[in-house]
Amino acid sequence: DTGVSQDPRHKITKRGQNVTFRCDPISEHNRLYWYRQTLGQGPEFLTYFQNEAQLEKSRLLSDRFSAERPKGSFSTLEIQRTEQGDSAMYLCASSLAVGLGELFFGEGSRLTVL
Amino acid sequence: AQSVTQLGSHVSVSEGALVLLRCNYSSSVPPYLFWYVQYPNQGLQLLLKYTSAATLVKGINGFEAEFKKSETSFHLTKPSAHMSDAAEYFCAVSDYNQGGKLIFGQGTELSVKP
Repeated sequence: DTGVSQDPRHKITKRGQNVTFRCDPISEHNRLYWYRQTLGQGPEFLTYFQNEAQLEKSRLLSDRFSAERPKGSFSTLEIQRTEQGDSAMYLCASSLAVGLGELFFGEGSRLTVL
Repeated sequence: AQSVTQLGSHVSVSEGALVLLRCNYSSSVPPYLFWYVQYPNQGLQLLLKYTSAATLVKGINGFEAEFKKSETSFHLTKPSAHMSDAAEYFCAVSDYNQGGKLIFGQGTELSVKP
């Protein structure tokens, strides 16, 4: 399977703990995006990378959130000192930097903060 | 800034009936527009996309959408609903001047009654 993969699919944690999600994009895609989706809402943009450079961060991405893409391949999204409001589905997508802008999504990582 | 509004958070149709899901966009530049579908606990799958070619766009699973610049609309239709069409549908506009990220609407949940 050469699609976007995310790990873990589900994470339950206690408030105050740190969590990290990993995303492996489609191998030839140089853009990688993180989105957050809460129940009944559309995906909200968090940040994106072109190769290893983080080019944009949303205001939604508080200082407790950090994302990296160290070698321009996989990416990690870390949430420090989790809060109950962080409970959501975290979606990763990838695309080519040229072309028609289609994003390919992974199946998401669902976070539940108790 | 670009934005998308989906009219109706929930639409219910009978099997075999016409499906119409409404989407209006706001964009200061010619838009790229997309419809994605999301099944429970899964990521988003592209249904179709408009990229300034033909205004009537055909997608997968019998869906199509028509770009109407005068109405700033990109409504999704399917002539005959099937039970398997029950899912969440998202309209999105591409901010291709800013990294190609997608800006999503709130989503419309489609229910199909037997």
